[in-house]
Amino acid sequence: NAGVTQTPKFRVLKTGQSMTLLCAQDMNHEYMYWYRQDPGMGLRLIHYSVGEGTTAKGEVPDGYNVSRLKKQNFLLGLESAAPSQTSVYFCASRTLSGYTGELFFGEGSRLTVL
Amino acid sequence: AQKVTQAQTEISVVEKEDVTLDCVYETRDTTYYLFWYKQPPSGELVFLIRRNSFDEQNEISGRYSWNFQKSTSSFNFTITASQVVDSAVYFCVHSGYSTLTFGKGTMLLVSP
Repeated sequence: NAGVTQTPKFRVLKTGQSMTLLCAQDMNHEYMYWYRQDPGMGLRLIHYSVGEGTTAKGEVPDGYNVSRLKKQNFLLGLESAAPSQTSVYFCASRTLSGYTGELFFGEGSRLTVL
Repeated sequence: AQKVTQAQTEISVVEKEDVTLDCVYETRDTTYYLFWYKQPPSGELVFLIRRNSFDEQNEISGRYSWNFQKSTSSFNFTITASQVVDSAVYFCVHSGYSTLTFGKGTMLLVSP
């Protein structure tokens, strides 16, 4: 089983460039999430989706946009990258089970903005 | 808003020592779940345990045990007889209905 797959795994951008991170899950999960991980900060929620066609803001949404056009895919976009967006990005999904379902994570995408 | 505090930024122990990782949370939810995740040096996030807000029974799984005390809003994690392979960052997580809030993590270093 592939589980949760993130592409690309690594990317280097220049300030002002745009890019899209793709997250794909094959577990038919309703809920999908984008987190960023920075040293000493834990994982912080950027945006999330509770189903196809829906998105919502998390704790640190500024500078990012998302789309969930298909249930299995959750895209994270950076329209104009900034050095402050240098981070490791994790996508995760969980079942439609309210509080109980644990998160299944992708392997992470390391983004560097110069 | 939920908040998860892991006051211990880094803990260093020698192999075979017992170690407890502290987790304190704040929530307005009456129903919630708490999780622990492990992130080894390779970077992946590994689910360890889930506990619901109505179940205060302690749980033991091999060398791992968890102590949930609702009265003190704590969900502590103990590793007995630590091993070098336990070296990782450990995250305590609060789950509300839609979102999950992570603590900042505790880095555990187990030396031989």
